[in-house]
Amino acid sequence: DIQMTQSPSSLSASVGDRVTITCQASQDISNYLNWYQQKPGKAPKLLIYDASNLETGVPSRFSGSGSGTDFTFTISSLQPEDIATYYCQQYDNLPMCSFGQGTKLEIK
Amino acid sequence: QVHLVQSGAEVKKPGASVKVSCKASGYTFTSYGISWVRQAPGQGLEWMGWISVYNGNTNYAQKVQGRVTMTTDTSTSTAYMELRSLRSDDTAVYYCARGVTGAIFDYWGQGTQVTVSS
Repeated sequence: DIQMTQSPSSLSASVGDRVTITCQASQDISNYLNWYQQKPGKAPKLLIYDASNLETGVPSRFSGSGSGTDFTFTISSLQPEDIATYYCQQYDNLPMCSFGQGTKLEIK
Repeated sequence: QVHLVQSGAEVKKPGASVKVSCKASGYTFTSYGISWVRQAPGQGLEWMGWISVYNGNTNYAQKVQGRVTMTTDTSTSTAYMELRSLRSDDTAVYYCARGVTGAIFDYWGQGTQVTVSS
């Protein structure tokens, strides 16, 4: 099974800050990597698919990069509404997939 | 617009079964697979399995293999997830999600709380 190591597990930042979350796969997964945002009590929301593609309607301050085993998710300028938990998800061996442990993002 | 609407909360005793439904609307039901993802209290997301709505093929996570069955009813555009022999660690919110290219989950149900308690 492919393991996803996401870091940090929690993060505190100020409004306007640049925020970066990383996800490392235990083996090469090409670009089969998505990023989701989950707010408390809500279902996850797709933000980035295939490592770097912005889902329709998602603000451009969100971005993703990487391929192979190392991936990065960035919020260029943190907004108050971005407070949430973020998950990476790999799907190299369809239809199976797995998620990272999550990063809880808080406002400083 | 696309909607996935799940059935309501359930409370079950250990050893019982639960069947959660997920009714789809706003798209051609047979054109996308449905995955089920669960989230235990305070924990992360756990993929449970996938069903091809087109042909009924399934693939289950090893952790629930043998206890889970995923089905669909194309006449009502509804997907179902049945979990048997429930244990306390099955207590979680269960989500259905539509999969683009298999596992890009672009639409999710609202979640169904399943509580297993004696």
